[in-house]
Amino acid sequence: TQLLEQSPQFLSIQEGENLTVYCNSSSVFSSLQWYRQEPGEGPVLLVTVVTGGEVKKLKRLTFQFGDARKDSSLHITAAQPGDTGLYLCAGEWNAGNMLTFGGGTRLMVKP
Amino acid sequence: EAGVAQSPRYKIIEKRQSVAFWCNPISGHATLYWYQQILGQGPKLLIQFQNNGVVDDSQLPKDRFSAERLKGVDSTLKIQPAKLEDSAVYLCASSLSSGIHNEQFFGPGTRLTVL
Repeated sequence: TQLLEQSPQFLSIQEGENLTVYCNSSSVFSSLQWYRQEPGEGPVLLVTVVTGGEVKKLKRLTFQFGDARKDSSLHITAAQPGDTGLYLCAGEWNAGNMLTFGGGTRLMVKP
Repeated sequence: EAGVAQSPRYKIIEKRQSVAFWCNPISGHATLYWYQQILGQGPKLLIQFQNNGVVDDSQLPKDRFSAERLKGVDSTLKIQPAKLEDSAVYLCASSLSSGIHNEQFFGPGTRLTVL
């Protein structure tokens, strides 16, 4: 069973601060996705990374895929209260296989 | 474009009772997934359908859980009988196919409370 570990589990910061969330595994991914989930809703896809070393930006969010495709990070610059939510990474080990989700990082941004 | 629809949104039952959840995926999406998300955890895949066939149900507790997608469109997930530890949000997701980079679209979920 492939495992994805996310850290930290919880993060509470003030508006305007920067933060980084990590997603790690001992296995190599064929792709990795980041989702954001708000209370009472299903996860919503933010980005998919495929190539080792790949960096993708989505406004104030920067996603990086590790060179060895075993880890990923999500960096948020100048966090805003609207960024509050549960951030989930999900890995695909072989193309077309099921996704395995990490435990999530619950982020709270205080105004 | 309409998203993934799920009903009911909330359900409260007593242990040993039965319950069923319904999911209607995005039109044209061949692949449908059911996940269980226990409070404070990430979603765990229960079953994956490709059209009306099961692709993976290795994590489905088959002694009490069952799922079907008879016409390859909407799907139902049933629990019979329910246990306290089944309290969770049950998420349905769909994707165009089970091909590469497998991007899934999730419904809002059904929150089940077993008393």
